Amino acid sequence: GAGVSQTPSNKVTEKGKYVELRCDPISGHTALYWYRQSLGQGPEFLIYFQGTGAADDSGLPNDRFFAVRPEGSVSTLKIQRTERGDSAVYLCASSRTSGEEDEQFFGPGTRLTVL
Amino acid sequence: AQSVTQPDIHITVSEGASLELRCNYSYGATPYLFWYVQSPGQGLQLLLKYFSGDTLVQGIKGFEAEFKRSQSSFNLRKPSVHWSDAAEYFCAVVISGGYNKLIFGAGTRLAVHP
Repeated sequence: GAGVSQTPSNKVTEKGKYVELRCDPISGHTALYWYRQSLGQGPEFLIYFQGTGAADDSGLPNDRFFAVRPEGSVSTLKIQRTERGDSAVYLCASSRTSGEEDEQFFGPGTRLTVL
Repeated sequence: AQSVTQPDIHITVSEGASLELRCNYSYGATPYLFWYVQSPGQGLQLLLKYFSGDTLVQGIKGFEAEFKRSQSSFNLRKPSVHWSDAAEYFCAVVISGGYNKLIFGAGTRLAVHP
């Protein structure tokens, strides 16, 4: 079956603009995670959804970042008033359940560049 | 705070040589441990994982890793490297807390010489 997909694959925007990044998880996966990977670093946790609700948003850097998953499948990461420091690859992952032993399947990421 | 350290930023090996990538974690209890590989343009792929039991775990693509509690380490090994193994490798932990929040190391970039 299809894996996790993310759109767009690349996004270039100007400082101060608003962007939305989309994640389509594997069908039937209830848990969804967003990570951010800066150049030369490992992915850093941003937010975790179990179903429609954000169960842990402790990784969101500030209130410019927001994510939703209204129907418990597709998720959108929203960034307001983008800054150059937001430039990174944003990764989405899903797992069948939220259990620690359930494998997370990652999408290819969205590369965000803020000019 | 929990953390994962990968001491080697970049490693180069010759094709056919053995490989060991180091990973150390900082956590009071036994975490769940993972190794992921990231090839250019590809998503992260799980190589192997350790939860409990036998401390030597086998993964895909001929990789294995050994959990050593006394050293807080989970090093990744492969007896004979292939050119297609060139990629970035990430060690990660999940701190048991009811869900699968991964904490990653900074990664080790592997280059393979023919």
